[in-house]
Amino acid sequence: GAVVSQHPSRVICKSGTSVKIECRSLDFQATTMFWYRQFPKKSLMLMATSNEGSKATYEQGVEKDKFLINHASLTLSTLTVTSAHPEDSSFYICSARAGDLSNQPQHFGDGTRLSIL
Amino acid sequence: SQQGEEDPQALSIQEGENATMNCSYKTSINNLQWYRQNSGRGLVHLILIRSNEREKHSGRLRVTLDTSKKSSSLLITASRAADTASYFCALISNFGNEKLTFGTGTRLTIIP
Repeated sequence: GAVVSQHPSRVICKSGTSVKIECRSLDFQATTMFWYRQFPKKSLMLMATSNEGSKATYEQGVEKDKFLINHASLTLSTLTVTSAHPEDSSFYICSARAGDLSNQPQHFGDGTRLSIL
Repeated sequence: SQQGEEDPQALSIQEGENATMNCSYKTSINNLQWYRQNSGRGLVHLILIRSNEREKHSGRLRVTLDTSKKSSSLLITASRAADTASYFCALISNFGNEKLTFGTGTRLTIIP
């Protein structure tokens, strides 16, 4: 089946640090990748949608200068949390979809737990 | 809101029993999907059901969709301890928006 690899799985760093999270589709080309944020025992909140070679589309309320997304190839998207603060601590999950059709399932990475001290 | 609402929020059953989770929504959908999330992990896609479909099966899973009632259910038969996880419904609306919107989730615990 389709595999999405997300790295790192856990990050603990000091306030003010910038953190980069990678999301790779290992065995398929991901036209579209999605970045979600999940708070404890809550649902997933979509942060942004990225299409290869174009700028990401951010959801309302998500700061694009804070959460930088790059989708440079059909197999790699990165999320950089710039100048992270304790309130940015959360579980970040990426997903990828193989085609352009919305009736294709999304394949998820295992998430990155970010803890800002 | 395009988000699905799941019921119950939490469910505990004995191993071997069947588990049923429900999802209600308010918008017109293109399709509805069910995902499982083990604690601290990513999501695993279970089943996608299109708006013109009423029922789909996959192994011990059965999903139904009633677009007139704007609801879907996920049935897990003969539950196992390994089925313990959170289950989310997610939908794609018909309004030109291809974003997958997740429901609130049901936390399922299977008691050995």
